[in-house]
Amino acid sequence: EAQVTQNPRYLITVTGKKLTVTCSQNMNHEYMSWYRQDPGLGLRQIYYSMNVEVTDKGDVPEGYKVSRKEKRNFPLILESPSPNQTSLYFCASSFGVGSPLHFGNGTRLTVT
Amino acid sequence: GQQLNQSPQSMFIQEGEDVSMNCTSSSIFNTWLWYKQDPGEGPVLLIALYKAGELTSNGRLTAQFGITRKDSFLNISASIPSDVGIYFCAGAEYALNFGKGTSLLVTP
Repeated sequence: EAQVTQNPRYLITVTGKKLTVTCSQNMNHEYMSWYRQDPGLGLRQIYYSMNVEVTDKGDVPEGYKVSRKEKRNFPLILESPSPNQTSLYFCASSFGVGSPLHFGNGTRLTVT
Repeated sequence: GQQLNQSPQSMFIQEGEDVSMNCTSSSIFNTWLWYKQDPGEGPVLLIALYKAGELTSNGRLTAQFGITRKDSFLNISASIPSDVGIYFCAGAEYALNFGKGTSLLVTP
C-alpha cells in the first residue's frame, strides 16, 4: 500500500531535550516536506526536499533541522524543543514540487 | 509561501444540505487541489484540477478551476455526517500553497 509513515504518532517531551520524528515513504517520490498545523493557522511548511541531499527552508524553519540521506526517509529534528513547538506535524511526499502531496497521519508533539 | 484566502472558515449544517466553499489567490495558479482532513488523520486528496474552467466530480463532490486561474470552488451535495472534517484548498504556480481550511460540522 502506498503510504507515508510517521513515527511516533504522539510525543510528550520537555524543553531542551533533542528529539527526532521519522518519516518514510514507499512511493519513490523525489519531493518530501514537513508541515506544522496549528489552530487558525492552517498548514505551514517547515522544510522541504527536492531530492536526496537537497533540502531548503519553508515558511517556518526556525528551531528545526532535516536531512535527506536516502530518497525514502526525511526525518525532522528538534535540537532543543521549546513549548512554542507544541503542534501537530505532518510529513508529505510527491513526485515533484507542485504535484499533489500524500500526507502521513501526523505526529502530535507536546513540549512542556 | 503565498497566501490563499479560503472561506468560509467554518460551517455548521444539517444532514442533506448542500455545501459550498471557495479559495482565492492574488496570483495565477496552474494547479488547484482540494483535500479533506478527518479528525486525527492527515489530509487526503479529494480532487485535482489542472486546467482553467475545468469542472471535476468525485461522488457527491464537485470542484471547479476558476477561469481567471485565481480561484477554485468545492461543492458537496446532500451532506452526510461522515463529511465532517476540515477541507483545505491548495494552489500551485510552482510550489503548493495551502488555504487555512474550512471546518465542516454536519448534524444528523
